[in-house]
Amino acid sequence: DTGVSQDPRHKITKRGQNVTFRCDPISEHNRLYWYRQTLGQGPEFLTYFQNEAQLEKSRLLSDRFSAERPKGSFSTLEIQRTEQGDSAMYLCASSRGGGQPQHFGDGTRLSIL
Amino acid sequence: GESVGLHLPTLSVQEGDNSIINCAYSNSASDYFIWYKQESGKGPQFIIDIRSNMDKRQGQRVTVLLNKTVKHLSLQIAATQPGDSAVYFCAENIIGNNDMRFGAGTRLTVKP
Repeated sequence: DTGVSQDPRHKITKRGQNVTFRCDPISEHNRLYWYRQTLGQGPEFLTYFQNEAQLEKSRLLSDRFSAERPKGSFSTLEIQRTEQGDSAMYLCASSRGGGQPQHFGDGTRLSIL
Repeated sequence: GESVGLHLPTLSVQEGDNSIINCAYSNSASDYFIWYKQESGKGPQFIIDIRSNMDKRQGQRVTVLLNKTVKHLSLQIAATQPGDSAVYFCAENIIGNNDMRFGAGTRLTVKP
């Protein structure tokens, strides 16, 4: 069990640029989640995958955000035309199933200049 | 709307003392609860969970208590150590739903 891995750990970009983050879940976990966390707050749910199917999206996930999990393993989260308000920590988590603990990676910290 | 919250934003304890971190939740339909520990620059780390059919669960040096009557959750840490210093979050979930809701967190500081 190598844990949830996220890449990159830090991303600095100019407003208006596109960014993509990657998450590699724990290998035997079929559920994968994306969260956003701002300073001093708890994580906020963005979206969830069961294997390769994206089954739920939060209203926080505007049309500039898209997530994929093409083969049911790793996932990517893309933000297009980044805005200042997108600056946050983006966390990925995985679990074996519903009612099971979600295990988090160490996140990608996004800073928009 | 319904949300998870915490009673205290900060808690300072002496090394070796026991710590109690509290959490209030308002969604009576929530049936699964987790405590996470988050250190600076890292993701939340799972500590312990509890389902609504239980009122107490123990782990290594930690105990979670659930009082469904008053919708209250607590995390007790025995013999608190400097390595326990972190932000602690409670999170609630309805099994079958996928959006786990987190509170804002309590920062625990352990004084040597």
